[in-house]
Amino acid sequence: AQSVAQPEDQVNVAEGNPLTVKCTYSVSGNPYLFWYVQYPNRGLQFLLKYITGDNLVKGSYGFEAEFNKSQTSFHLKKPSALVSDSALYFCAVRDGGSGNTGKLIFGQGTTLQVKP
Amino acid sequence: DARVTQTPRHKVTEMGQEVTMRCQPILGHNTVFWYRQTMMQGLELLAYFRNRAPLDDSGMPKDRFSAEMPDATLATLKIQPSEPRDSAVYFCASGLLGGVADTQYFGPGTRLTVL
Repeated sequence: AQSVAQPEDQVNVAEGNPLTVKCTYSVSGNPYLFWYVQYPNRGLQFLLKYITGDNLVKGSYGFEAEFNKSQTSFHLKKPSALVSDSALYFCAVRDGGSGNTGKLIFGQGTTLQVKP
Repeated sequence: DARVTQTPRHKVTEMGQEVTMRCQPILGHNTVFWYRQTMMQGLELLAYFRNRAPLDDSGMPKDRFSAEMPDATLATLKIQPSEPRDSAVYFCASGLLGGVADTQYFGPGTRLTVL
């Protein structure tokens, strides 16, 4: 069965410091991995995805994520956090194997608080 | 800039009333998803369609919820009768799955309050 874990309910970081939001996953086939961000009273916005290729994926707003197959992780990172990055972040996975319907499994979300 | 649109954005209704939420997917997308978000349960997948055909609605309470795609530009989610526990934000997402893009794009959501 597919699953996603975001072990931290909240991450606090000072503006200008690097940030990491953790995600681990479990799928039976090759993983397709996604990060979404949700600002208050808004829908989820796509940030980045890993399908294949380079393990380091770059996305919107200066975010990047590193796919680590041996650790089954896909942590979201940013070298220098902004107060405006404060939001709810979701990791999601789907099995890229044949016959897959495209259904995503979402983690519970991690609230990122960036303090000035 | 193509976007998923949802109407209404907010809905307040009384228990027992019918609620209909609408979604216009991004033109050309072949898959539409309905999600529900609550503080307690997080983001739950209710149902989804591929090329307008329902693929999976196992996440939906069948006795009161129904989802349809009357045409490629409209998806609906109905609750009849509504109950206070249905209060949540309902999101629609669309995607061109099976292709290179393979990403779901979310609408702004419908915030439903059932009194």
